[in-house]
Amino acid sequence: GQSLEQPSEVTAVEGAIVQINCTYQTSGFYGLSWYQQHDGGAPTFLSYNALDGLEETGRFSSFLSRSDSYGYLLLQELQMKDSASYFCAVRSDSGAGSYQLTFGKGTKLSVIP
Amino acid sequence: KAGVTQTPRYLIKTRGQQVTLSCSPISGHRSVSWYQQTPGQGLQFLFEYFSETQRNKGNFPGRFSGRQFSNSRSEMNVSTLELGDSALYLCASSFGAADTEAFFGQGTRLTVV
Repeated sequence: GQSLEQPSEVTAVEGAIVQINCTYQTSGFYGLSWYQQHDGGAPTFLSYNALDGLEETGRFSSFLSRSDSYGYLLLQELQMKDSASYFCAVRSDSGAGSYQLTFGKGTKLSVIP
Repeated sequence: KAGVTQTPRYLIKTRGQQVTLSCSPISGHRSVSWYQQTPGQGLQFLFEYFSETQRNKGNFPGRFSGRQFSNSRSEMNVSTLELGDSALYLCASSFGAADTEAFFGQGTRLTVV
C-alpha cells in the first residue's frame, strides 16, 4: 500500500521561513507533489519533484530525496495569506500505464503576526 | 478558460438515499479523478476516469461508483448513504492521465442526516 506522513499542524511567524516535511512509503514511485488548500477552497497545485534536489518557484521551494523517501516544502518570507493546509501527494504507477495520486493528511499552517 | 465545475455545491440527504454528483473538467482535459475529503483524513482517492474508462479505483465500498461521458464530464454516485459518507467530494481534471498537475473543483459538500 501507500502511506504518507506529514505534521498535522505548524505555526510560524510572518516573515519567517517554515519547512513542512513529508515521508512516504510507496511502490512504483514517480514523483512528489505539493498542494495548497485554503479553508473552504479547492486544492491548488504548488510544485512537483520527480528527481532528487530542490525546485524553486518564487517564495516556495520543494525538495525530494528518493533514496530517503522524503521531501519537504519550504516557504520563505511568510505572509498571512500563506495560512492554509498543505498536502504532499505521491504520484505512483498503478499498473497498465496508469497513475495514481495519493495524498497525505495535510499540514495546517498558521501564520501569526 | 473555465475551471473545473462541480454541481451541486451543497447537498443534504437522508440515510439510505442515493446521490449523484457531477463534475465538468476543464475544456480539453480527458482525465477526471474523484476524492473524498474529511477532517483529519486528507484527500482519499475514489477513482479515476480517462477517455470514458475507469483506470484506477481506491479502497471504497461498491456503493461508490462513477462514470465518464464522451465529453469527459463525469458523475459519481453513492447509493444507500450512511452518516459516514458526509464529506467534501472533490473532482480533479488533467489533460492526460500522466499529467503531473491536477486542477481541482470547489467540491460538493455532502451532508447525510
